[in-house]
Amino acid sequence: RKEVEQDPGPFNVPEGATVAFNCTYSNSASQSFFWYRQDCRKEPKLLMSVYSSGNEDGRFTAQLNRASQYISLLIRDSKLSDSATYLCVVNEDNAGNMLTFGGGTRLMVKP
Amino acid sequence: DVKVTQSSRYLVKRTGEKVFLECVQDMDHENMFWYRQDPGLGLRLIYFSYDVKMKEKGDIPEGYSVSREKKERFSLILESASTNQTSMYLCASGREINGYTFGSGTRLTVV
Repeated sequence: RKEVEQDPGPFNVPEGATVAFNCTYSNSASQSFFWYRQDCRKEPKLLMSVYSSGNEDGRFTAQLNRASQYISLLIRDSKLSDSATYLCVVNEDNAGNMLTFGGGTRLMVKP
Repeated sequence: DVKVTQSSRYLVKRTGEKVFLECVQDMDHENMFWYRQDPGLGLRLIYFSYDVKMKEKGDIPEGYSVSREKKERFSLILESASTNQTSMYLCASGREINGYTFGSGTRLTVV
């Protein structure tokens, strides 16, 4: 089974909506967690790291639930420019030195 | 600002040609990676390197080789290009605790 799983979507939401994505991972020993954003035909770019205590960056909030082995990304007050694919990233390698990328969740924000 | 540079944005090559994709980073990272990305398949790791002259196979190394003669440069080589190697190729560098930085990608078409 996939090590890092995401709902591929697409999530179609109106401007101003709040939307949340979840991602599950299989290795309970994972230590590093990230959300990346990828625009169409562009490279993935780091959006934010995910810390155990949860963290917020403007309209974006990331949470980690170690017990259930999932991370989440919440986007408040969605903008048209938030339309992209969001990749969940975890260090799944047992040696702890590789990142594993989820397949991504596509978000489309409509006017 | 951290930078990963890939030598070409778009390439068109003929079946059977030897193809070189170059990647240079200016962050003094030990770790560098080559991925390919195809619709519906997400990011797949081809090869990676933890140091100069060192290489490790990723998940899909068949048909590819790599070269790391200098710390800042990591080259991907398609020994004999085939149409099923038509893809977006992404180079990345970084450490798992900070996340990776990606180059802007090379869209390769093999005809």
